[in-house]
Amino acid sequence: AQKITQTQPGMFVQEKEAVTLDCTYDTSDQSYGLFWYKQPSSGEMIFLIYQGSYDEQNATEGRYSLNFQKARKSANLVISASQLGDSAMYFCAMREPTGANSKLTFGKGITLSVRP
Amino acid sequence: DGGITQSPKYLFRKEGQNVTLSCEQNLNHDAMYWYRQDPGQGLRLIYYSQIVNDFQKGDIAEGYSVSREKKESFPLTVTSAQKNPTAFYLCASSISGGFLAEQFFGPGTRLTVL
Repeated sequence: AQKITQTQPGMFVQEKEAVTLDCTYDTSDQSYGLFWYKQPSSGEMIFLIYQGSYDEQNATEGRYSLNFQKARKSANLVISASQLGDSAMYFCAMREPTGANSKLTFGKGITLSVRP
Repeated sequence: DGGITQSPKYLFRKEGQNVTLSCEQNLNHDAMYWYRQDPGQGLRLIYYSQIVNDFQKGDIAEGYSVSREKKESFPLTVTSAQKNPTAFYLCASSISGGFLAEQFFGPGTRLTVL
């Protein structure tokens, strides 16, 4: 079974509007971390936001916020006031404490295109 | 400026040749990682290292080898045993291997086998 599911193949949003990118995850651990990364066409992975499984409040980082619904195992990224520079691939990832070493598991990503 | 550097940015290799991708970090991070990304896909973990002189296989280690002789460096060798090596390779590091530690990524190396 997939650990991280991102089913939206491509998203379009008008500049200055808000957009939500969906992410669901699967884990039996009680402690885990959820991450969102942005990958522009240049290829580098840019860290956006992090949510810990025990955090009671949704994470926010500037125009990015994470809508964390633990019971539904979803961690959707909300981008407010979209800008043209937000056009990129967005990846949701999870990190579980598997013994002494933990690894980051990525979803397949969502393409976001911001229209002027 | 602290960060992760990968070289070269683009790499071409003939079939049957081994090739080594460089990854250097000056963030004083203990943990380093190598990922592979295929078109339209997420990242898959090849190898990771929590400390110097120690490393573990990730999900797709076959056909790859690594070394970690220095804290700052984690080179990846793509061997001729790797059946389909054409891909985008990303190196990352984190302050520790703990599951709350954010990973920082390098700019990537795009490998093409001719």
